[in-house]
Amino acid sequence: GNSVTQMEGPVTLSEEAFLTINCTYTATGYPSLFWYVQYPGEGLQLLLKATKADDKGSNKGFEATYRKETTSFHLEKGSVQVSDSAVYFCALSDQNFGNEKLTFGTGTRLTIIP
Amino acid sequence: GAGVSQSPSNKVTEKGKDVELRCDPISGHTALYWYRQSLGQGLEFLIYFQGNSAPDKSGLPSDRFSAERTGGSVSTLTIQRTQQEDSAVYLCASSLAGTGTNNEQFFGPGTRLTVL
Repeated sequence: GNSVTQMEGPVTLSEEAFLTINCTYTATGYPSLFWYVQYPGEGLQLLLKATKADDKGSNKGFEATYRKETTSFHLEKGSVQVSDSAVYFCALSDQNFGNEKLTFGTGTRLTIIP
Repeated sequence: GAGVSQSPSNKVTEKGKDVELRCDPISGHTALYWYRQSLGQGLEFLIYFQGNSAPDKSGLPSDRFSAERTGGSVSTLTIQRTQQEDSAVYLCASSLAGTGTNNEQFFGPGTRLTVL
């Protein structure tokens, strides 16, 4: 079956540091890949996505590139801010299942200190 | 417009009782998903509705769980004879369409269920 493995954390960084959160996946077909973010006290929201190999998703300074050869979708940001403190979830959807249900990683809690 | 709404926001119940959780999707969204977020299992898919098609129930953990979607809009997730391991945050999401569209799923704030 499909699965997503991501860096568990928690991750604590200083403001303006470089961020990488690793994510790898296993899928039977050709999945779409996503990063969702959950800010404190808020619901899950889509951060970025990529639907095919070599696509790069980007939003709010975050980037992730769909790497089929390494089955990875690592999240990066060059300079993090305190407002980036949240829980980040890597996810995939595989249309071979007939719908776009999401398979999530375990989530990575990120804390940025000033 | 309004986002996905869920009610109640919190529910505390005693073991063995039945509970109903409600989801109001974004108007016009034909696809609706239920997920569960728990400490031990992370975020996991429960059930999917798309238009008038038969739902995909493959993620429901036991026959105590059921869900319906009336009129293609509001959905209710029912848990019968609740157990302590059912304690979790139940999330609902909706999107414009299902297969082949890669549409963004919009999540509600969730219902936190605590079974004593």
